[in-house]
Amino acid sequence: DVKVTQSSRYLVKRTGEKVFLECVQDMDHENMFWYRQDPGLGLRLIYFSYDVKMKEKGDIPEGYSVSREKKERFSLILESASTNQTSMYLCASRGIGATGREAFFGQGTRLTVV
Amino acid sequence: RKEVEQDPGPFNVPEGATVAFNCTYSNSASQSFFWYRQDCRKEPKLLMSVYSSGNEDGRFTAQLNRASQYISLLIRDSKLSDSATYLCVVNPYSSASKIIFGSGTRLSIRP
Repeated sequence: DVKVTQSSRYLVKRTGEKVFLECVQDMDHENMFWYRQDPGLGLRLIYFSYDVKMKEKGDIPEGYSVSREKKERFSLILESASTNQTSMYLCASRGIGATGREAFFGQGTRLTVV
Repeated sequence: RKEVEQDPGPFNVPEGATVAFNCTYSNSASQSFFWYRQDCRKEPKLLMSVYSSGNEDGRFTAQLNRASQYISLLIRDSKLSDSATYLCVVNPYSSASKIIFGSGTRLSIRP
């Protein structure tokens, strides 16, 4: 059974804290993604990575950074958390080629910044 | 203009009805298209891919119109369990990298 695992389901952090969200996949997928989901705005792409140590900005990268040191792990970092980063964060992974087109999601991390 | 646009709904239809959603995309070079389903407080899951020739999976039919740059999802004989948010997904490049989600269409089936 394929699996994308996010380290926390719920997090509460204080404004200004550095926050790490971890995501691990066991499918040997090349591509990994971080989205945030807010009511009425859908899923918005923050960053994605198509290979180890490779990353590209998505649509809303400001205030975030990412790290991909190993193929199976993709971390999202909030350098200095702010209240407008309160959201649901979803990690996804996806293979390449004709057989690897489905994206699999983790269960999400609901982050609250107070 | 957003890369992928959907009518947010909600669509509120009776059980047994047929309902259809459209989704438009802005990048004419887009190669791959999908419909995902997201239940309340759950992660999105693939419902079906959308092929150029159109495809059907039971009560669900997906179609692609490249000339007008939209994809559609038709649900026949809707069930209560079809209540969910349906997300249109586009892979705007020829390589399997960035994937873009629409904001979703909420469907509610009433008894």
